[in-house]
Amino acid sequence: GAVVSQHPSWVICKSGTSVKIECRSLDFQATTMFWYRQFPKQSLMLMATSNEGSKATYEQGVEKDKFLINHASLTLSTLTVTSAHPEDSSFYICSASRTEIYEQYFGPGTRLTVT
Amino acid sequence: GENVEQHPSTLSVQEGDSAVIKCTYSDSASNYFPWYKQELGKRPQLIIDIRSNVGEKKDQRIAVTLNKTAKHFSLHITETQPEDSAVYFCAASKGMDSSYKLIFGSGTRLLVRP
Repeated sequence: GAVVSQHPSWVICKSGTSVKIECRSLDFQATTMFWYRQFPKQSLMLMATSNEGSKATYEQGVEKDKFLINHASLTLSTLTVTSAHPEDSSFYICSASRTEIYEQYFGPGTRLTVT
Repeated sequence: GENVEQHPSTLSVQEGDSAVIKCTYSDSASNYFPWYKQELGKRPQLIIDIRSNVGEKKDQRIAVTLNKTAKHFSLHITETQPEDSAVYFCAASKGMDSSYKLIFGSGTRLLVRP
């Protein structure tokens, strides 16, 4: 149990375009989902926390207008990178957790390359 | 906010030896400390975790110790095997007070030499 999927697993887009990444909890209801960004050989940096039906809470330094997060249901959250630039190229990982549970279940990640 | 420091950044051990990775945290309100193993291009996998009301936890070859007074916790891997080679991350959470978000350490690249 506690499986989280992400789609797509990798994507290449041109500079200036937008790309949407989906995160789904397949066998449980995720009241909270988290989005991380991981650059090569670096740690996971939390971008935002989203709760179903409410606005996401962004970490300091993360542009909310550039990284749009929607958590419309208990099994789906989306991250849209708007007007992507080469410096947005990274590994984006989501995680999901149940109500008031510490453990986060991670998705397989999405590798974004902006050319 | 919470800050988690992790050492060493790289660790090379001979197969069969033990490996120890250490982390310190800054916020005394943190109460949950998981350890993750991440292989290249893959998702982080939880290998062990500990709550603040416990000083030590063990699962076969893996153990974690927590010193709340000193605000540090450590991962111990005994009888290391080549398949233990990966990047290991520690993390800390304040639970409900911070919406259960995790703050990660910088990672330790472990290489187990056959």
